[in-house]
Amino acid sequence: DIVMTQSPDSLTVSLGERATINCKSSQNVVYSANTKNYLSWYQYRPGQPPRLLLYWASTRESGVPDRFNGSGSGTDFTLTISSLQAEDVAIYYCQQYYTTPWTFGQGTKVEIK
Amino acid sequence: QVQLVQSGAEVKKPGASVKVSCKASGYTFTGHYIHWVRQAPGVGLEWMGWTNPKSGGTVFAEKFQGRVTMTRDTSSSTAYMELHSLKSDDTAIYYCARERITVVRGIMAVGGMDVWGQGTTVTVSS
Repeated sequence: DIVMTQSPDSLTVSLGERATINCKSSQNVVYSANTKNYLSWYQYRPGQPPRLLLYWASTRESGVPDRFNGSGSGTDFTLTISSLQAEDVAIYYCQQYYTTPWTFGQGTKVEIK
Repeated sequence: QVQLVQSGAEVKKPGASVKVSCKASGYTFTGHYIHWVRQAPGVGLEWMGWTNPKSGGTVFAEKFQGRVTMTRDTSSSTAYMELHSLKSDDTAIYYCARERITVVRGIMAVGGMDVWGQGTTVTVSS
């Protein structure tokens, strides 16, 4: 199984400041047929289902604010929230869908300072 | 609009089975795989498996092999997940989710899970 490891486990950031979450996969997740990184990011707020933020590592899902950005390739990826808003308080997960079983990182909890 | 609507909360005893439904609307049901993901208290998101609504084919995480069944009814655009031999650590919120598919230069490309059900809380307690 591909192991996804996120860092840090939790993050406290002031409103308007940048939040950065890292995600490392134990194997390359680039799908050779289309050269896409099969890596997505989700936001999980209590009482709500997970929300897809980014797929192919850096493509924003429709309706996702442009303060959410993804980068990286191969095995190392980053989610950046450029200017943290109150509604961004959540747990963020990376997930690979390169191969089954699809696997998630352990999650990063983002809070307001 | 595109949505997945799940069945209501369940309380089960250890050893019992639970069947969760996921009704799709607003899109072609057979055009997207349906995945099942759970979130247990204090634990992160856990992928359980997928079902292909067109063929009925399934793939499960090894952890659930032999204990989970995933089926679908194309006439009602509904997917089902049944978990057997329930244990207390199966207490969780269970989600169905649609696989995101995009055609890129004539090739289908998967893009994670873009539409989620509201979740079904399953409590296993004696």
